Amino acid sequence: AQSVTQLGSHVSVSEGALVLLRCNYSSSVPPYLFWYVQYPNQGLQLLLKYTSAATLVKGINGFEAEFKKSETSFHLTKPSAHMSDAAEYFCAVSHSGGYQKVTFGTGTKLQVIP
Amino acid sequence: DTAVSQTPKYLVTQMGNDKSIKCEQNLGHDTMYWYKQDSKKFLKIMFSYNNKELIINETVPNRFSPKSPDKAHLNLHINSLELGDSAVYFCASSLFAASGKSYEQYFGPGTRLTVT
Repeated sequence: AQSVTQLGSHVSVSEGALVLLRCNYSSSVPPYLFWYVQYPNQGLQLLLKYTSAATLVKGINGFEAEFKKSETSFHLTKPSAHMSDAAEYFCAVSHSGGYQKVTFGTGTKLQVIP
Repeated sequence: DTAVSQTPKYLVTQMGNDKSIKCEQNLGHDTMYWYKQDSKKFLKIMFSYNNKELIINETVPNRFSPKSPDKAHLNLHINSLELGDSAVYFCASSLFAASGKSYEQYFGPGTRLTVT
């Protein structure tokens, strides 16, 4: 069984401030972890993914996430928020091989205040 | 452009009607998915096909019937539409993951279904 929990359904930051979106996972096998972003009225787009190669993963648009096994976390960060970062962010978990099923978190809506 | 496309983008219909949503990908992927996103943005997998074979079939009313004519296309037919079917339906595709790998999914733009 696998699951992800995203803490905070809404996060507000000022433009230029640090963005921190929290994700904790549960998986009975080594997980693969993803962050997706959904802009209004659009589909999901991959931001970054963890596949066990490196614990600090860099993604698009200046985002990065760190895999911490001891904390079962995969938090998403960006040093300086931009207005264009306002969107819904989803953490997701799957496992390797076979008929992989991706389980998505409930999403965190990021608001950027000018 | 290489992408996952869906038609129609918007679908407004009355209860009891039957409707279909179509999905196509030209990314060379062999696995396709249907997701339902409710009004609270919760994403739930409905079905997945690998090379035209159904591999994931979640607890979905049998009024929903997917069909994959080839590995680049996945359609969703819904019979006897109900108010609760109103949602955004996303198609996605990926490569089939061999042991030791996991591939990200590429999503279409979604079909917003409104049942009145």
